[in-house]
Amino acid sequence: QQQVKQSPQSLIVQKGGISIINCAYENTAFDYFPWYQQFPGKGPALLIAIRPDVSEKKEGRFTISFNKSAKQFSLHIMDSQPGDSATYFCAGYDQFYFGTGTSLTVIP
Amino acid sequence: GAGVSQSPSNKVTEKGKDVELRCDPISGHTALYWYRQSLGQGLEFLIYFQGNSAPDKSGLPSDRFSAERTGGSVSTLTIQRTQQEDSAVYLCASSFSRGEQFFGPGTRLTVL
Repeated sequence: QQQVKQSPQSLIVQKGGISIINCAYENTAFDYFPWYQQFPGKGPALLIAIRPDVSEKKEGRFTISFNKSAKQFSLHIMDSQPGDSATYFCAGYDQFYFGTGTSLTVIP
Repeated sequence: GAGVSQSPSNKVTEKGKDVELRCDPISGHTALYWYRQSLGQGLEFLIYFQGNSAPDKSGLPSDRFSAERTGGSVSTLTIQRTQQEDSAVYLCASSFSRGEQFFGPGTRLTVL
């Protein structure tokens, strides 16, 4: 059973555009929702994370929006840049469940 | 470097052989995790060590998989009698408690 469902599987955005990746979870015991960024040949690295007591967290061009009642959260990348091209994973912690990943390509 | 290191970076083995994958976590991190990443798939949790507590082995896919962590530091993931479906990238991560996980570069395992 997929504890964290992520969409879309792939995303192509023009430079300067907004990239949006969505995740949905089932387990209400999750208490920490990180987003990881992974470049080819590298391990994932933490990008931004949120706890369920807040609805939004912003760090630079990256924002997490969290909807506890809907059990959904999303990553917004503003002013997307070619250097943002990577695979992004959402996760839910109680156990360590990761989404299936979104391959983002930002076209110059 | 002070990051998580894994060895080997690549491992090619024949079906039925045993393999050992090594992880050196960041010094002082109490938690250590192993994940498996198959092509086009997310990160599949395998096992979690936290301090001196009994490890959480709930993600291990079969009894061919085992892991140990010696002295609260280095960890070894062992896969016995490897199968072709074991081919994947095996990632190790470490953290303070259950916080931000720092990942190593992974070991790419290919079973022929």
